[in-house]
Amino acid sequence: SQQGEEDPQALSIQEGENATMNCSYKTSINNLQWYRQNSGRGLVHLILIRSNEREKHSGRLRVTLDTSKKSSSLLITASRAADTASYFCATDPYNNNDMRFGAGTRLTVKP
Amino acid sequence: DGGITQSPKYLFRKEGQNVTLSCEQNLNHDAMYWYRQDPGQGLRLIYYSQIVNDFQKGDIAEGYSVSREKKESFPLTVTSAQKNPTAFYLCASQPIYGDNYGYTFGSGTRLTVV
Repeated sequence: SQQGEEDPQALSIQEGENATMNCSYKTSINNLQWYRQNSGRGLVHLILIRSNEREKHSGRLRVTLDTSKKSSSLLITASRAADTASYFCATDPYNNNDMRFGAGTRLTVKP
Repeated sequence: DGGITQSPKYLFRKEGQNVTLSCEQNLNHDAMYWYRQDPGQGLRLIYYSQIVNDFQKGDIAEGYSVSREKKESFPLTVTSAQKNPTAFYLCASQPIYGDNYGYTFGSGTRLTVV
């Protein structure tokens, strides 16, 4: 069963702009993770935020988590053409780290 | 270089055949996972293994089988009972099952029924 749902399904921006993607989930979680996937490749782990954390940064990435609303957002600042990829959120709906992934947001950054 | 290797990259299966997808990791990770990805969709969990000689079904285990005889290896067999096997298969590993660490993924195997 899919746990997280990303929004929007697709996002197209110009290089230099910020990109914001959202993720909603259904059950309580231990942590929420964001991954990136280039076309036809495996996923790459970007960032993990624990359920007791509200915000986390990693380079140009900023992740927020609102457990009361069961939602998270991923912000990519100063986007680059190389950021073009699909972005997935993943949660552990059974609280044992068997991660479940949403359908992803397809981000296109135009040069 | 440490990593997780999936082979082959592309695999073609005839109707009624069993095929085995390889997943090998040299990261000394305890936990390993198999996911299936269909076009435009998220990943769905097939099987996972916390330790050697033990594995559990995920959300879509029917038509698949696995083994975990060695820590480094977690092969997936797609049997003839899997009616719609055409998909992109991804293997992942994690240092210790249940840890608050992200997964490391392989580069995937694309399986096509011909």
